[in-house]
Amino acid sequence: QQPVQSPQAVILREGEDAVINCSSSKALYSVHWYRQKHGEAPIFLMILLKGGEQKGHDKISASFNEKKQQSSLYLTASQLSYSGTYFCGTEKFGAAGNKLTFGGGTRVLVKP
Amino acid sequence: DSGVTQTPKHLITATGQRVTLRCSPRSGDLSVYWYQQSLDQGLQFLIQYYNGEERAKGNILERFSAQQFPDLHSELNLSSLELGDSALYFCASSRSGRTDTQYFGPGTRLTVL
Repeated sequence: QQPVQSPQAVILREGEDAVINCSSSKALYSVHWYRQKHGEAPIFLMILLKGGEQKGHDKISASFNEKKQQSSLYLTASQLSYSGTYFCGTEKFGAAGNKLTFGGGTRVLVKP
Repeated sequence: DSGVTQTPKHLITATGQRVTLRCSPRSGDLSVYWYQQSLDQGLQFLIQYYNGEERAKGNILERFSAQQFPDLHSELNLSSLELGDSALYFCASSRSGRTDTQYFGPGTRLTVL
């Protein structure tokens, strides 16, 4: 069962902030975040492991609440280059290998 | 550029045919993953290989098969193709076989007519 991402789409002005949520019904070991521009490969942003840690990548950061099985991605002071579709990929506890189940994606459009 | 290469970039074929997609992982990476991305299904995990052995399996159809060779490159074989198999197929690689960053290749766009 794939994780649920919200919102499905968001439009921002340059400099504004946004939050993207990723929720799972399964106990998670890790959450991976990727950004994909149309027709291109997904680009890795960060991995969060269980433990509620928060990580950052430029002005993009994320948190993982293992009790709620939820991760949030924070886009701070958004730039035009932040436009794209953001995917969370979740890894279940006890899953074999490094199998990721991806959410449906959140489309982000940053306007000047 | 992630360092993962995929060939061909585009593939157009007819229903019922068989095709082979090829992937070369980043230097030093032992794991290879295959994903299918279509408009209505999103990014779907197909299969993972680690150092030549199958490590994890997703909802891969029986008409699809994959393998990883001793030089660590991988091939995804799709047979008895149907219209619904039209999609973007991504290969990704990672250093280890467990929780690790997956680096995606540019993808192969398959169109089945």
